[in-house]
Amino acid sequence: NAGVTQTPKFRILKIGQSMTLQCAQDMNHNYMYWYRQDPGMGLKLIYYSVGAGITDKGEVPNGYNVSRSTTEDFPLRLELAAPSQTSVYFCASSPRGGYTDTQYFGPGTRLTVL
Amino acid sequence: GIQVEQSPPDLILQEGANSTLRCNFSDSVNNLQWFHQNPWGQLINLFYIPSGTKQNGRLSATTVATERYSLLYISSSQTTDSGVYFCAVPFRTGGFKTIFGAGTRLFVKA
Repeated sequence: NAGVTQTPKFRILKIGQSMTLQCAQDMNHNYMYWYRQDPGMGLKLIYYSVGAGITDKGEVPNGYNVSRSTTEDFPLRLELAAPSQTSVYFCASSPRGGYTDTQYFGPGTRLTVL
Repeated sequence: GIQVEQSPPDLILQEGANSTLRCNFSDSVNNLQWFHQNPWGQLINLFYIPSGTKQNGRLSATTVATERYSLLYISSSQTTDSGVYFCAVPFRTGGFKTIFGAGTRLFVKA
């Protein structure tokens, strides 16, 4: 199993540009999550999904959108990039729910908005 | 909302020393996880430990849910233990959320 994969690894955006961060998992996990980690800080939940077609907001959803059309993929969309979105983005998955389960993390995408 | 606090924020150890990291949480929880983020940024699960004690090699963790804290013990530390240790608490308030502590940054000197 490849586990949780994320692309791209690095990206630089100009203010106002849009992009999609890709996340895929091959473990047939129902739950998937997007987090951001600002320098020297812990992780904050952006969005999560409990299964294909079902998504919900986390702590810091503003400026982001998600979709979950398949069990495997959970892309994160930034529509109008702002410097405040400079961060490292982690995708994660878990078999049932992080409420009672272990999350598995991807390697992260380092995004800089200039 | 629930608060998760970790201490100490930074820790420097000589290789071979033991250490204890603490995670306090402000409300009752049904799950608590410890993660290690290595110097290259990779996040690795260490323990899923809602209560009781678990051990994995040189690492062990204890959660006392009634007193709202968890401890991570690192024995005979090695330079590869360096990185940031996070505790995380998932919970439900309407939707599902996971709250991470700010982390303990550990540096083990050779």
